[in-house]
Amino acid sequence: DAGITQSPRHKVTETGTPVTLRCHQTENHRYMYWYRQDPGHGLRLIHYSYGVKDTDKGEVSDGYSVSRSKTEDFLLTLESATSSQTSVYFCAIQRDTNTEAFFGQGTRLTVV
Amino acid sequence: GQSLEQPSEVTAVEGAIVQINCTYQTSGFYGLSWYQQHDGGAPTFLSYNALDGLEETGRFSSFLSRSDSYGYLLLQELQMKDSASYFCAVSPRDQKLVFGTGTRLLVSP
Repeated sequence: DAGITQSPRHKVTETGTPVTLRCHQTENHRYMYWYRQDPGHGLRLIHYSYGVKDTDKGEVSDGYSVSRSKTEDFLLTLESATSSQTSVYFCAIQRDTNTEAFFGQGTRLTVV
Repeated sequence: GQSLEQPSEVTAVEGAIVQINCTYQTSGFYGLSWYQQHDGGAPTFLSYNALDGLEETGRFSSFLSRSDSYGYLLLQELQMKDSASYFCAVSPRDQKLVFGTGTRLLVSP
């Protein structure tokens, strides 16, 4: 199995609080992604990274920020969580854009 | 931007063949890939088409036609364990990985 782990796996938080999700890889892959998955919407890209300190926005980036200070870690932050951000979040890694992507096991976030 | 459309649901019986289509609108990309996701699990890679044509991997085959902006995943000899969601994805030239809307496949006995 590809070395990719997400933490936490489950989290319940209150509206307005900051939340940080962590994605850690041991594969030294260049590309890292954060997606959210909601019923009827498939996997929607939030932010992605193509190298240390190189990040860009995806299609649903509002309300989210990311950081990648080292190759192995990609952090997703919700500065002030809202109920609309209740979702399952997946991190993925990819060596190159023409290779397979490996996914973490997901983080189920509930904002109450 | 990129847009990949798939049927929302497909049903079939064990032993049958099913085709899941993916139509896309994107300005350019490296290839089309397919992923499988069982309920409660993470997506896993199935296949990748860099070039037009058919790629075969066991019971699964994938096809790409860039001129038609179209691809499909073909599953043969369906088994109950194939019941899952299937996603097509493209890697555009701006270095990201974008997924389609997903197709839920239900295989019945």
